[in-house]
Amino acid sequence: GAGVSQTPSNKVTEKGKYVELRCDPISGHTALYWYRQSLGQGPEFLIYFQGTGAADDSGLPNDRFFAVRPEGSVSTLKIQRTERGDSAVYLCASSPLGTSTTDTQYFGPGTRLTVL
Amino acid sequence: QKEVEQNSGPLSVPEGAIASLNCTYSDRGSQSFFWYRQYSGKSPELIMFIYSNGDKEDGRFTAQLNKASQYVSLLIRDSQPSDSATYLCAVIGAGTYKYIFGTGTRLKVLA
Repeated sequence: GAGVSQTPSNKVTEKGKYVELRCDPISGHTALYWYRQSLGQGPEFLIYFQGTGAADDSGLPNDRFFAVRPEGSVSTLKIQRTERGDSAVYLCASSPLGTSTTDTQYFGPGTRLTVL
Repeated sequence: QKEVEQNSGPLSVPEGAIASLNCTYSDRGSQSFFWYRQYSGKSPELIMFIYSNGDKEDGRFTAQLNKASQYVSLLIRDSQPSDSATYLCAVIGAGTYKYIFGTGTRLKVLA
């Protein structure tokens, strides 16, 4: 596709449930990033993939959060035992290289997660 | 101290005026600096980036970087109501490729 796509656009779940959020990056982009954005805040870094491997997962808040990118393209962010505090917009971005400080990230439309 | 700081605003300017948005960062080794615009309910979109000290111009936008003062700014000339949005500053720190974002400055351009 022309841009980064994310599904679903909205997800409502109950506390304690498991959710998966999907990101499809720009074709050919090596690097993929996940961010979380709460109302009135800037995006908060969660994890970054270089190809299939997680190059930096220092932003994952706890072990309930996990992300994979098995074939170096589509990525899935998985959240176990969701809590109300997990409610936010989850943004995915991709960049061509991920190994250059001049690399520009392009964002998808986000998934709005609401935990009731 | 936050890693990237921005005044949350709102910053209100009349149509046609120059809007000046500021950002400071704490990591002296930071290498790259990005400005994104985010409309309400939408995802961030890149306006421009700057890596070297000085000014960089792109149309109505000028980014200014002063690494000694750890300060980056964005000037918007001839502001339009359609420029009303939240402007996010993002920084790539030393030894990393991840962005650290500020909280954003909300800009209102008054017609």
